[in-house]
Amino acid sequence: QKEVEQDPGPLSVPEGAIVSLNCTYSNSAFQYFMWYRQYSRKGPELLMYTYSSGNKEDGRFTAQVDKSSKYISLFIRDSQPSDSATYLCAMSASHPGNMLTFGGGTRLMVKP
Amino acid sequence: NAGVTQTPKFRILKIGQSMTLQCTQDMNHNYMYWYRQDPGMGLKLIYYSVGAGITDKGEVPNGYNVSRSTTEDFPLRLELAAPSQTSVYFCATTKGGSTNEKLFFGSGTQLSVL
Repeated sequence: QKEVEQDPGPLSVPEGAIVSLNCTYSNSAFQYFMWYRQYSRKGPELLMYTYSSGNKEDGRFTAQVDKSSKYISLFIRDSQPSDSATYLCAMSASHPGNMLTFGGGTRLMVKP
Repeated sequence: NAGVTQTPKFRILKIGQSMTLQCTQDMNHNYMYWYRQDPGMGLKLIYYSVGAGITDKGEVPNGYNVSRSTTEDFPLRLELAAPSQTSVYFCATTKGGSTNEKLFFGSGTQLSVL
């Protein structure tokens, strides 16, 4: 069993839809949770960061962490074609070395 | 500022050949990392460095070597390339290495070993 599980997709939605992306994990020591967005043939870029449980909102994006269920989510409201990318969840117990464990990524396609 | 620059962008190697993937950064960051990304498998940490002269193994170091003689450069060496090393390689940096710090990634090197 992978330490971090993520549905690979692809997930195809119409423009304007609400998108829900999810990851489950098995390591209860994880405290730091991130979402990276990766466009085709590019390196990942940090989208959202959350510490421990709770919600965090940034514009159209909301990250949720439920540590009791070992489940994290990223919601995208009013999705745009420019949101089409692969979304990677990443998490860590602590540093050094920023030792992140990544999910396999979910490919999202937003159709105009 | 260029950020994190990786060269080459693409490379095809024959089994048993060797090569060096170059990574340079102009962000004056202390921490540098090498990841590999296989389809559907996420990113796996190969090696990392917390500063010039210091390197350490990550999750999948076998078949690779690194050096860090300067703050800016962190080359990844493949000796005796194998088909299992076919992957996309990403170099990344952070300033101080705290867990909540943002990783800055290069654009990647796509390597095929045939």
